[in-house]
Amino acid sequence: EAGVTQFPSHSVIEKGQTVTLRCDPISGHDNLYWYRRVMGKEIKFLLHFVKESKQDESGMPNNRFLAERTGGTYSTLKVQPAELEDSGVYFCASSQDWRTLGADTQYFGPGTRLTVL
Amino acid sequence: GESVGLHLPTLSVQEGDNSIINCAYSNSASDYFIWYKQESGKGPQFIIDIRSNMDKRQGQRVTVLLNKTVKHLSLQIAATQPGDSAVYFCAENLWGSGTYKYIFGTGTRLKVLA
Repeated sequence: EAGVTQFPSHSVIEKGQTVTLRCDPISGHDNLYWYRRVMGKEIKFLLHFVKESKQDESGMPNNRFLAERTGGTYSTLKVQPAELEDSGVYFCASSQDWRTLGADTQYFGPGTRLTVL
Repeated sequence: GESVGLHLPTLSVQEGDNSIINCAYSNSASDYFIWYKQESGKGPQFIIDIRSNMDKRQGQRVTVLLNKTVKHLSLQIAATQPGDSAVYFCAENLWGSGTYKYIFGTGTRLKVLA
């Protein structure tokens, strides 16, 4: 079974530019999460999709970040315009339906390392 | 705010010895805890989990202990091997805003010495 995949693995852009990150969850997983880790800090929650709906986006830092999951399969996270403090590693995770399983186990992708110059 | 913290940023152990990685969590309402291992260039990899109605759970060479009285979590690795070298994160699963979310600590780097 394929795991969570993310693209690109690394992106280097200049301040003010736009970047779009992609995540493909494990097939059949309704839940998709975005997290990020900035240098020296802990991994922090950004948002959670259940299928195509945003269940919780309380962790999104500001309106320069836009996440979508059209069709309830893969998801994109767009940063526009990028700022220096957006540099870090962006992780995607997916899990099965926690409503029937209780607290869920999230499986993580390899992450996208974003560098904003 | 709510946070999960790790006491030791780096832990060095001799190959073959047992490792113990500690974690403190702050939210007594958290009901599920997970340990992840992250190797260089890879995403966090699930190791073991434990629910709040348990105080111990064992896997293959790993044991997680949960002490809810002092809000403490630990990961024990038996007979540590070079392949265990990585950063280990604990996370608490917290219900809020209509969903579960993970709250992570900063991570502990485990170095296995030959």
